[in-house]
Amino acid sequence: GENVEQHPSTLSVQEGDSAVIKCTYSDSASNYFPWYKQELGKRPQLIIDIRSNVGEKKDQRIAVTLNKTAKHFSLHITETQPEDSAVYFCATRPYGNKLVFGAGTILRVKS
Amino acid sequence: EAGVVQSPRYKIIEKKQPVAFWCNPISGHNTLYWYRQNLGQGPELLIRYENEEAVDDSQLPKDRFSAERLKGVDSTLKIQPAELGDSAVYLCASSLPENQETQYFGPGTRLLVL
Repeated sequence: GENVEQHPSTLSVQEGDSAVIKCTYSDSASNYFPWYKQELGKRPQLIIDIRSNVGEKKDQRIAVTLNKTAKHFSLHITETQPEDSAVYFCATRPYGNKLVFGAGTILRVKS
Repeated sequence: EAGVVQSPRYKIIEKKQPVAFWCNPISGHNTLYWYRQNLGQGPELLIRYENEEAVDDSQLPKDRFSAERLKGVDSTLKIQPAELGDSAVYLCASSLPENQETQYFGPGTRLLVL
């Protein structure tokens, strides 16, 4: 089955710096790649997603890049702010509507 | 628009006891998912419903877990009997028929088995 690896497990950046989180996957059939943000004790919320026919997508300070050949995709957050501190999960969709999640990255933005 | 509703938010039980979780999806969302999230991990799918039909329950431990969505709206997830390793957050999510990729999560039920 699909295996999603996410790195790093924790990331600490200074406010205003950029943060990058990378995920690799194993199933070449995966064609949808969402990123979720989960604040402590709260529900996961979709922040950005990308489909396999696109290499990059941007939404204000957040961007996602996809390399289907290498089977990896990354989340980029620019000009980080303290409210960006949370756990970020990547996911893939190998078939149907099943999402397979990575283990998560704890992002801490220091002010 | 109201989000996915789950109850209870927290539950503490002793091992071998039964427990049930309830989920009310967003109105109009015919697809419903139950996930389990262990501490420090991403959510793992337990079961997926299309209306009242369970279309993917391959990850559901059927010896002790059961789920139902009788009228294609609300759903319940039950564990009987609970084991220590069942301590986790149980998340419900739902999605629209025309956009099943985007899943909206509920706040989850945090279960602690003692």
